[in-house]
Amino acid sequence: DAGVTQSPTHLIKTRGQQVTLRCSPKSGHDTVSWYQQALGQGPQFIFQYYEEEERQRGNFPDRFSGHQFPNYSSELNVNALLLGDSALYLCASSLAGEKLFFGSGTQLSVL
Amino acid sequence: AQSVAQPEDQVNVAEGNPLTVKCTYSVSGNPYLFWYVQYPNRGLQFLLKYITGDNLVKGSYGFEAEFNKSQTSFHLKKPSALVSDSALYFCAVREVDRDDKIIFGKGTRLHILP
Repeated sequence: DAGVTQSPTHLIKTRGQQVTLRCSPKSGHDTVSWYQQALGQGPQFIFQYYEEEERQRGNFPDRFSGHQFPNYSSELNVNALLLGDSALYLCASSLAGEKLFFGSGTQLSVL
Repeated sequence: AQSVAQPEDQVNVAEGNPLTVKCTYSVSGNPYLFWYVQYPNRGLQFLLKYITGDNLVKGSYGFEAEFNKSQTSFHLKKPSALVSDSALYFCAVREVDRDDKIIFGKGTRLHILP
């Protein structure tokens, strides 16, 4: 049984570009949450998707958007990239609000 | 809104000694509480959770945590530290009975000295 998988593992972009990160949840999980973890910091909640809709959102600008597909997989899109968007982006899946299972993350570097 | 505080950026403990990593939380209702561990360049791994019941929760790798409602604390403990316990530890909270997000503390780096 595969756990949470994220792609790509590493990504380098330049300021102003757009990026799409992908996540496949653990089998049987229906909820996907996205977190941003800057170097030396705790994960910051971006948003959560359930039944293909954004259910909760953290304090992130509209440049951050997402999507959940019928198979529960999810994408995180970031437009107009800033240097400060450089971070580890973590996807986590869960069932009925129970504990989160995390992927290994996508390391995004914005130059 | 819920919040989590981890007052120590780093904790140093000699191998074989007991360890404690502190966490306090704030929620308007009853909490779900979690501890996660992160190794370099990896995602977070679940250690243990408190939902209800016994205030002492046992988890993976010999870790346990004590829920204290009056002090709104959920400190992580282990009776005898191992060098392999060295990692970054995160406390997290979610409010019970709400479809709410899980919020993480800033983390505490644990160094176990051989």
